[in-house]
Amino acid sequence: AQSVSQHNHHVILSEAASLELGCNYSYGGTVNLFWYVQYPGQHLQLLLKYFSGDPLVKGIKGFEAEFIKSKFSFNLRKPSVQWSDTAEYFCAVNAGYSTLTFGKGTMLLVSP
Amino acid sequence: DAGVIQSPRHEVTEMGQEVTLRCKPISGHNSLFWYRQTMMRGLELLIYFNNNVPIDDSGMPEDRFSAKMPNASFSTLKIQPSEPRDSAVYFCASWTLGKASSGANVLTFGAGSRLTVL
Repeated sequence: AQSVSQHNHHVILSEAASLELGCNYSYGGTVNLFWYVQYPGQHLQLLLKYFSGDPLVKGIKGFEAEFIKSKFSFNLRKPSVQWSDTAEYFCAVNAGYSTLTFGKGTMLLVSP
Repeated sequence: DAGVIQSPRHEVTEMGQEVTLRCKPISGHNSLFWYRQTMMRGLELLIYFNNNVPIDDSGMPEDRFSAKMPNASFSTLKIQPSEPRDSAVYFCASWTLGKASSGANVLTFGAGSRLTVL
């Protein structure tokens, strides 16, 4: 069975700081990888996804993630965060036609 | 497309009452999921359907919870009787499985139904 581990439960940053949220998964085969964002009081929205090809994936709002197969990782990055990036971020993985397995989420608080 | 549509957006009820949450998936999506989100337990998958057929309901907390999908465009999640510990946000999500290049395999969530059981 697949599992997803997000290393940080809470992250606090100042505006303009760089962000990196860790995500590791356990599955030996081909996977699809996702990052979802949930702004306060809202539903989960897709931030970016990786299916195949270039392991560096660019998403909305300046976010990107890099798939490193040898490390089973799919870390999310943003060079300069804004107050409006305050949200909870979920990493998710599925293999083939299986359902998505979500990590427990990382709450990001950006102080102005 | 209007996306995944859920109703009601907010529900406040008293313990012991029946609660029915509704979901309309994105047209053409063949899988539908019900999730529950709380501060304590995070995001939990309750049940999912493929082509209107329940595939895995192992996440349903107990017999008080039931879900149906009578057709491809409608699903319900029912709690009877409701208890205060059922208070949560319930999300419905849908996707279609297929070739990634076709836009498939991306789970889209509804806005959620916030349930408060007093």
